[in-house]
Amino acid sequence: GAVVSQHPSWVICKSGTSVKIECRSLDFQATTMFWYRQFPKQSLMLMATSNEGSKATYEQGVEKDKFLINHASLTLSTLTVTSAHPEDSSFYICSGRTSATNYEQYFGPGTRLTVT
Amino acid sequence: LAKTTQPISMDSYEGQEVNITCSHNNIATNDYITWYQQFPSQGPRFIIQGYKTKVTNEVASLFIPADRKSSTLSLPRVSLSDTAVYYCLVANSMDSSYKLIFGSGTRLLVRP
Repeated sequence: GAVVSQHPSWVICKSGTSVKIECRSLDFQATTMFWYRQFPKQSLMLMATSNEGSKATYEQGVEKDKFLINHASLTLSTLTVTSAHPEDSSFYICSGRTSATNYEQYFGPGTRLTVT
Repeated sequence: LAKTTQPISMDSYEGQEVNITCSHNNIATNDYITWYQQFPSQGPRFIIQGYKTKVTNEVASLFIPADRKSSTLSLPRVSLSDTAVYYCLVANSMDSSYKLIFGSGTRLLVRP
């Protein structure tokens, strides 16, 4: 199956700083990428959907000015958590989808963010 | 988007067959049923997808009755490494604008 990578796999940052998470589709061109957030013992929550070259569409309740998403190419999307706070500590997972495989969605390994 | 309902948790023993049922009463005509597996601190992994009747691959089988209002993921002879959370999702994956919304999932614990 297609492979999605994320970098970093884990990051610790101080409250008030910003942190960027990269999501790459390694062997396919992801026309659409998704960002999810997952708190301990909970399910994945969809944050936003982004299409290459377009602005991301955020789910209700997700602050677009706090979670900046850029999908500049068919193989790279980034999520920047701005002015991070401890409550932003979570597991962030991206996924990519391509029409080449009937829109099957492939997930990255996730990034653990801890804000101190 | 069709909502799914699954048992919160299940227990099993090594070597047993495990069947996890998912209810999706409002499934639409063009929706497919997809199951994902997730281990702690990892992204979800695709297990199997189906539209109707039965689908089988090297790791699982998926049974879908004629009315498609439910589906059952069958894991033959589970091992300790099958301990994970299993998510059932329904969506029209052929629709370029669809998005996967995860429900609560089923926590499967396989005991020695």
